[in-house]
Amino acid sequence: QLQLQESGPGLVKPPETLSLTCIVSGGSISRSSYYWGWIRQPPGKALEWIGSIYYSGSTYYSPSLKSRVTISVDTSKNQFSLTLNSVTAADTAVYYCARQSPVDFSLAYWGQGALVTVSS
Amino acid sequence: SYVLTQPPSVSVAPGQTARITCEGNNLGSKSVHWYQQKPGQAPVVVVYDNSDRPSGIPERFSGSNSGNTASLTISRVEAGDEADYYCQVWDSTTTVVFGGGTKLTVL
Repeated sequence: QLQLQESGPGLVKPPETLSLTCIVSGGSISRSSYYWGWIRQPPGKALEWIGSIYYSGSTYYSPSLKSRVTISVDTSKNQFSLTLNSVTAADTAVYYCARQSPVDFSLAYWGQGALVTVSS
Repeated sequence: SYVLTQPPSVSVAPGQTARITCEGNNLGSKSVHWYQQKPGQAPVVVVYDNSDRPSGIPERFSGSNSGNTASLTISRVEAGDEADYYCQVWDSTTTVVFGGGTKLTVL
C-alpha cells in the first residue's frame, strides 16, 4: 500500500524559507508515471494546490505561487521536496503531499499533512 | 484563471439525499473529482473522473457533470458523511484547481 509522509520544521520565521519533504513508501517514484504534488490548507480555509512534479522532473506550479516555489524529486531516496521562499503569516497552513494521476489528474493518495506556522 | 464555485453549506436529514454542486465555465468538458475531508484528516477521493468511484467508497456516492455544473450526490445520508467536500479539475491554464468547499451538515 502506497504511503506518503511529510516531514520538516513546524515553525518558520518570516521572511525565511519553508522546506518540506515527502517520503514515499510502498512504491517507487522513478518506476511509475505519476505526478507528485503539494497542496496546502490554511486553518479553516479551502484546499490550495501549490504545484506538482512529474517523475521525470518536469514541474507545474500554481500561477499565484510560482515566483516563490520550487519542487524537486530525489529518486535515490524515493522522496520529493517543496521549498517556498520569503514566507509570511499568510503561508501558515497544513501542507499535504499527494500522488496525482497522469490521466485525469486526480489525487488518490495523500500524506497525513504537516502544520507549518510562520511566525517570528 | 479558472474558478470553481461551490455552495458554502448543504444540510440534509439522515436517510435523505444530499446534492453538492460545483460550477465552472464549460465544466462539462473537464474531468471532475470530488474529495471528502473530515476534521483533522487528509482529503479522500470519493468520486473521480466525473462519476467513477474508488474501491471502498460506498455506492451511495455518485457524480455527474454536464454543461457548467458538476454534482456529487450522496444517497441515504448517514451521520458519518458529515464532512467538507471539495471538487477539483485540471485546467490547461491554471493546472490543478479546487473549489471553495462545501460543508455537509447531517441534521
